[in-house]
Amino acid sequence: ILNVEQSPQSLHVQEGDSTNFTCSFPSSNFYALHWYRWETAKSPEALFVMTLNGDEKKKGRISATLNTKEGYSYLYIKGSQPEDSATYLCAYSKKAGGTSYGKLTFGQGTILTVHP
Amino acid sequence: DTGVSQDPRHKITKRGQNVTFRCDPISEHNRLYWYRQTLGQGPEFLTYFQNEAQLEKSRLLSDRFSAERPKGSFSTLEIQRTEQGDSAMYLCASSRRGGNTGELFFGEGSRLTVL
Repeated sequence: ILNVEQSPQSLHVQEGDSTNFTCSFPSSNFYALHWYRWETAKSPEALFVMTLNGDEKKKGRISATLNTKEGYSYLYIKGSQPEDSATYLCAYSKKAGGTSYGKLTFGQGTILTVHP
Repeated sequence: DTGVSQDPRHKITKRGQNVTFRCDPISEHNRLYWYRQTLGQGPEFLTYFQNEAQLEKSRLLSDRFSAERPKGSFSTLEIQRTEQGDSAMYLCASSRRGGNTGELFFGEGSRLTVL
């Protein structure tokens, strides 16, 4: 993997369904994996930033896992609600001199639509 | 904390005109970034400032693009002689040095349409 790839590109689910997305990224020189939620006409908002292999993070009904050795992360939404409808972006950063900064490489995003 | 603000939110211009976008970052953030997002793609890194110094510039930025951050506060992104391919959402983000592994705080973006 040379770039960040997300799947699926879009997803339609019914209210109450649980769903998950995949993000694949280069495993070499890894520093951090970010997930952002971007609602229409709003600014992208950080959900999680993960750095350690095996990291699992949770915020309400949303959780994420990280596997840095194989280069993938999953985002899970339990009991989807219409307000979860948004584009979900993952991005990774590489090590730069032992640290990193905000130069992120983004995937193309997964567009989630939750129908009432 | 008023968040990152960008102006204008929308700009329609004719090919060949110059446009300038402004970004006001979160006040205590010393790092500022510009990204560009085109339809169906994720945001792409354009440039990065730490305080007033522009430390990195993507090859995506042609000579027609220039960014400044005088006094390390707000930033401007100018596009000269716009082309239709410049139509995109221009996103500004800021972060605090050493803060939370590089989490970015984005503005709502400036959408450019070049006719």
